[in-house]
Amino acid sequence: QQQVKQSPQSLIVQKGGISIINCAYENTAFDYFPWYQQFPGKGPALLIAIRPDVSEKKEGRFTISFNKSAKQFSLHIMDSQPGDSATYFCAASLYGGSQGNLIFGKGTKLSVKP
Amino acid sequence: DAGVIQSPRHEVTEMGQEVTLRCKPISGHNSLFWYRQTMMRGLELLIYFNNNVPIDDSGMPEDRFSAKMPNASFSTLKIQPSEPRDSAVYFCASRRAGSSYNEQFFGPGTRLTVL
Repeated sequence: QQQVKQSPQSLIVQKGGISIINCAYENTAFDYFPWYQQFPGKGPALLIAIRPDVSEKKEGRFTISFNKSAKQFSLHIMDSQPGDSATYFCAASLYGGSQGNLIFGKGTKLSVKP
Repeated sequence: DAGVIQSPRHEVTEMGQEVTLRCKPISGHNSLFWYRQTMMRGLELLIYFNNNVPIDDSGMPEDRFSAKMPNASFSTLKIQPSEPRDSAVYFCASRRAGSSYNEQFFGPGTRLTVL
């Protein structure tokens, strides 16, 4: 019940295209869903996050869509650029800094071709 | 802000040797996390501390692994004896006390190779 399942494992998109990465969770107590971005040789870094009281959050070209009833959320990258090539991790946790750890998906390696 | 600092960045050792990885969290952060990343298993939480106290070590693979946090500004992850299957990138992350968001700040990682 603690798992977060992420797909696809890898994704190749042409420059200017839309990248879509999906995640599903089981624990209905989770109420904070971040996405982390990791470039080669670096640690993951927070990209964007959402709480389940909204169905969508947009920051620039990055959008999280959230479906509470389906227990699914996804990351959309509009107008994908070669600089977006990285590994993306979805995660879930209880909201608040003292509420334990993040449960990470296994990651999606995105390659954006010029 | 220097960010989370990890050392060494790369470590190559032989099977059976002791390995010690070090982490300095961001000043003012009260939670510290140790992760292991491999191609096969992705990003795995090994252990995390709140206020220097270990809270959850259920991810520690076996007794060969141990972690300490003697004070708020330093933590170690020790593997003794090391085995080839321990080869991975080990990340340390920290989180700010009282954070409204469960945002973890990751260090650059230590790439461990056990021959």
